[in-house]
Amino acid sequence: GENVEQHPSTLSVQEGDSAVIKCTYSDSASNYFPWYKQELGKRPQLIIDIRSNVGEKKDQRIAVTLNKTAKHFSLHITETQPEDSAVYFCAALSSEVEYGNKLVFGAGTILRVKS
Amino acid sequence: EAGVAQSPRYKIIEKRQSVAFWCNPISGHATLYWYQQILGQGPKLLIQFQNNGVVDDSQLPKDRFSAERLKGVDSTLKIQPAKLEDSAVYLCASSLEPSHIQYFGAGTRLSVL
Repeated sequence: GENVEQHPSTLSVQEGDSAVIKCTYSDSASNYFPWYKQELGKRPQLIIDIRSNVGEKKDQRIAVTLNKTAKHFSLHITETQPEDSAVYFCAALSSEVEYGNKLVFGAGTILRVKS
Repeated sequence: EAGVAQSPRYKIIEKRQSVAFWCNPISGHATLYWYQQILGQGPKLLIQFQNNGVVDDSQLPKDRFSAERLKGVDSTLKIQPAKLEDSAVYLCASSLEPSHIQYFGAGTRLSVL
């Protein structure tokens, strides 16, 4: 089945700097890659997603890039702010013939933005 | 639009006791998911429903966990008997279809003592 690895596990940046989180996946048939932000004690919330027919997607300070050949995708946050501090999860939607579509999550990255 | 509703928010039980969680998905969402999130890890899918049918329960510990979605709307997840390692946050999510965006509820934090 699908396996998603996420790096780094923790990331500290200075306010205003950029942050990059990287994920790799194993199932070449995966075709949908969302990123979720989870603040302490709150629900995961979708911040951006990308489908396999697109190489890059941007939404204000957040961008995601996808390299299907290398099977990796990355989250880029520019001009970080203290409110960006949270745990970020990447995920890949695996198409398993037996079970249908299943979202497999990475282990998460704790992002700390220091002001 | 209203989000995914879950209750209770917190539950503390002793090992070997039973517990049930409830989820009401976003109106019109055919697909419902239950995830287990252990501290420091990403959510792990326990079971996925499409309407009132089970699509995937391959990672559900069926000797102690059960779930149902009888009328294709709300769902309950039960643990009986609970073990210490079941301490986690149980998240419910829903989507229009399996390949669509999943929206999460606030979760139920379970502590098994």
